[in-house]
Amino acid sequence: GQQVMQIPQYQHVQEGEDFTTYCNSSTTLSNIQWYKQRPGGHPVFLIQLVKSGEVKKQKRLTFQFGEAKKNSSLHITATQTTDVGTYFCAGFSDWGKLQFGAGTQVVVTP
Amino acid sequence: DAGVIQSPRHEVTEMGQEVTLRCKPISGHDYLFWYRQTMMRGLELLIYFNNNVPIDDSGMPEDRFSAKMPNASFSTLKIQPSEPRDSAVYFCASSLTGNNQPQHFGDGTRLSIL
Repeated sequence: GQQVMQIPQYQHVQEGEDFTTYCNSSTTLSNIQWYKQRPGGHPVFLIQLVKSGEVKKQKRLTFQFGEAKKNSSLHITATQTTDVGTYFCAGFSDWGKLQFGAGTQVVVTP
Repeated sequence: DAGVIQSPRHEVTEMGQEVTLRCKPISGHDYLFWYRQTMMRGLELLIYFNNNVPIDDSGMPEDRFSAKMPNASFSTLKIQPSEPRDSAVYFCASSLTGNNQPQHFGDGTRLSIL
């Protein structure tokens, strides 16, 4: 069955640094979504990517969908303490079930 | 606008007891999802409904778990009898037509089975 894997599982970042988290699927995805969950909170939708090679930006966050639609990345520049949380990717296969990755837990050191 | 509303926020009960978790989706959303989140297994989809009809319950762990959606504005997830390994945060989420739409999550129910 479809599997969505995320790396790294944990990311310790110094405030002001950049980092990237990656999402890989065992099958081609029709689209991919990214969510953020703050500590003690619930997942909150950030963005959806649909097209092959698509790149979208939200302020300091850059999201990319791979050409083969089997991988995605989230790049955060100039990390701030407000970026703390767990970032999940979630992929839809053509048969429609949303599969969440295990998430990347981000810790920011001031 | 009100988001997805879950109750209770916290539940602590002894093993063997029946547990009922409740969810009110966002008005107009016709998909409803139940998830379980633990450190070991991450975020797991248990079951989802479309227009109040269960579509895929392959994630429901075992017969002790059941879910219903009697109308468009209410769903329950029931565990009977409960076991300590059921301790987790249970999220309800809803979305608009089409299961490729963003999902809106409730605040979750933190369940502890002693």
